[in-house]
Amino acid sequence: EIVLTQSPGTLSLSPGERATLSCRASQSVSSSYLAWYQQKPGQAPRLLIYGASSRATGIPDRFSGSGSGTDFTLTISRLEPEDFAVYYCQQYGSTSAFGQGTKVEIK
Amino acid sequence: QVQLVQSGAEVKKPGASVKVSCKASGYTFTSYGISWVRQAPGQGLEWMGWISAYNGNTNYAQKLQGRVTMTTDTSTSTAYMELRSLRSDDTAVYYCAREVAADYWGQGTLVTVSS
Repeated sequence: EIVLTQSPGTLSLSPGERATLSCRASQSVSSSYLAWYQQKPGQAPRLLIYGASSRATGIPDRFSGSGSGTDFTLTISRLEPEDFAVYYCQQYGSTSAFGQGTKVEIK
Repeated sequence: QVQLVQSGAEVKKPGASVKVSCKASGYTFTSYGISWVRQAPGQGLEWMGWISAYNGNTNYAQKLQGRVTMTTDTSTSTAYMELRSLRSDDTAVYYCAREVAADYWGQGTLVTVSS
């Protein structure tokens, strides 16, 4: 079973700054079956990135994903006020699992 | 537009079972699978499993094997998740979502397990 570890646990940044979130897998993620989600309080998660680097429909281009194998990154180029939320990575190879989440909070 | 509408909140006693429904609309139901994900209060997301709406094949999280059953009814475009032998740590919001890389989500169903 692949375990995903996200870092940091909390990221304190100001609007307009760049956010870099990490997701490390305990084993190689097959075919880059890695997704990123955003979740705000009281809401269902929202798919941002799938296939490690493909943006989902309607996702702004300030969100980008990269990586392969065991190391993946979500980058938000310039934080907007609505981007402060919790972010989860997910691997979906033979089975699936989520990381524990990174909270992006206003500094 | 794609919608997944889940059944309402449930309160169950330890040892009981719960069955949550998820009615899909706005797309061809049998062309996509349905995932189930839960979230305990204040905690992260936990993937529970996936079912193919095309042929009923399932893939369950190892942790829940033997306690969970996912089914679909293609005549009504509805997916179901049944969890048995409920414990207090099964208290969570349960979500259905389209596919494994989940692009559409239901609104969530709160299941509370309490004596």
